[in-house]
Amino acid sequence: GAGVSQSPSNKVTEKGKDVELRCDPISGHTALYWYRQSLGQGLEFLIYFQGNSAPDKSGLPSDRFSAERTGGSVSTLTIQRTQQEDSAVYLCASSPGPSADYGYTFGSGTRLTVV
Amino acid sequence: KQEVTQIPAALSVPEGENLVLNCSFTDSAIYNLQWFRQDPGKGLTSLLLIQSSQREQTSGRLNASLDKSSGRSTLYIAASQPGDSATYLCAVLSGSARQLTFGSGTQLTVLP
Repeated sequence: GAGVSQSPSNKVTEKGKDVELRCDPISGHTALYWYRQSLGQGLEFLIYFQGNSAPDKSGLPSDRFSAERTGGSVSTLTIQRTQQEDSAVYLCASSPGPSADYGYTFGSGTRLTVV
Repeated sequence: KQEVTQIPAALSVPEGENLVLNCSFTDSAIYNLQWFRQDPGKGLTSLLLIQSSQREQTSGRLNASLDKSSGRSTLYIAASQPGDSATYLCAVLSGSARQLTFGSGTQLTVLP
């Protein structure tokens, strides 16, 4: 597609439920990031995928968070047993590759509210 | 660990003014620096990308400069318009993991 697509755009879930957030990067982009933006806070790095390499998971806040990227394209971020502090906007970004020549294109985000 | 700071946190100016937003980073070993714009409830829109070997980039009324050795970048907006009102974020790409580290942003309001 023309841009990075994220779905759903909004998600309200009950505390304790699992949620899945989806990111469709720009076609051909090998690098993919997930970030989290809590209310009034900056962007917090979560996870980074580059091609077929093992992902950099150093930003995941707890083992309730996981992400996968199938076929080097679509990525799913899963949050298990959601807590109220998980409420945030989850942003996905992609880039043509790891080279510093490329910038990152962000999706519009998924606003997650845990009630 | 890379840290990015943006000053000021908020800025309000009358329409037509020229203005400067500041960004500083602690580790000068960066690959590139990118300025983004974020409108309320929206994602991030890329404005300018400066490679580590470059000193500045221009797009329309926007000019971004980079002084890597001192760990600073500025975003200059000429002849500001109400439509420029948004949060402006600075991000640097650095580290072996090529992590994009963001500042907390400058919330700009341009008054008509």
